[in-house]
Amino acid sequence: DSGVTQTPKHLITATGQRVTLRCSPRSGDLSVYWYQQSLDQGLQFLIQYYNGEERAKGNILERFSAQQFPDLHSELNLSSLELGDSALYFCASRGDRFTDTQYFGPGTRLTVL
Amino acid sequence: GQQLNQSPQSMFIQEGEDVSMNCTSSSIFNTWLWYKQDPGEGPVLLIALYKAGELTSNGRLTAQFGITRKDSFLNISASIPSDVGIYFCAGLGYGGSQGNLIFGKGTKLSVKP
Repeated sequence: DSGVTQTPKHLITATGQRVTLRCSPRSGDLSVYWYQQSLDQGLQFLIQYYNGEERAKGNILERFSAQQFPDLHSELNLSSLELGDSALYFCASRGDRFTDTQYFGPGTRLTVL
Repeated sequence: GQQLNQSPQSMFIQEGEDVSMNCTSSSIFNTWLWYKQDPGEGPVLLIALYKAGELTSNGRLTAQFGITRKDSFLNISASIPSDVGIYFCAGLGYGGSQGNLIFGKGTKLSVKP
């Protein structure tokens, strides 16, 4: 158990809909990272937050957004969903600012029908 | 952008065999991480490497950070059935500030039929 929690575990929805994925980092970790894992693209970095502020952006679509709240949990919002958005979405948290080790949550499997 | 080439893509193991996999890049990385992912689960950190030339062990696992900073390998000695899974290397390049990881495509370990 990495200490990172994600809900829900599974999500099935239809094209055009909007969903919110939730992540709670390890206790005390200030950084949260979001990744998308699909069969053909592997693990792709989406976005990073540090103590409530956006710090880095990767291959995140404009239809996707995220935020980190004062209690440090984070939410990833996916809107106008397309079939190709079906994937596993992971969040990871990082503790000590002087190391780069990231600990991953169990993921949310999103299926868009 | 930075890319990691991980090989082999897949391999079959027989219990007791030693296993080797590696990652190479045309770019320099200042941190290498090795993760294992079981089906439907999040990646679990196995070993973290922070210095060029560093050799680090975690039980039957040994990983090294290449001297050129452009490669890393992971060895598993005396493999056991629970070693089956997908192994990912991940690198953090220079200028990554708070650090988004670049992942290899993974090496899938399966049991020999």
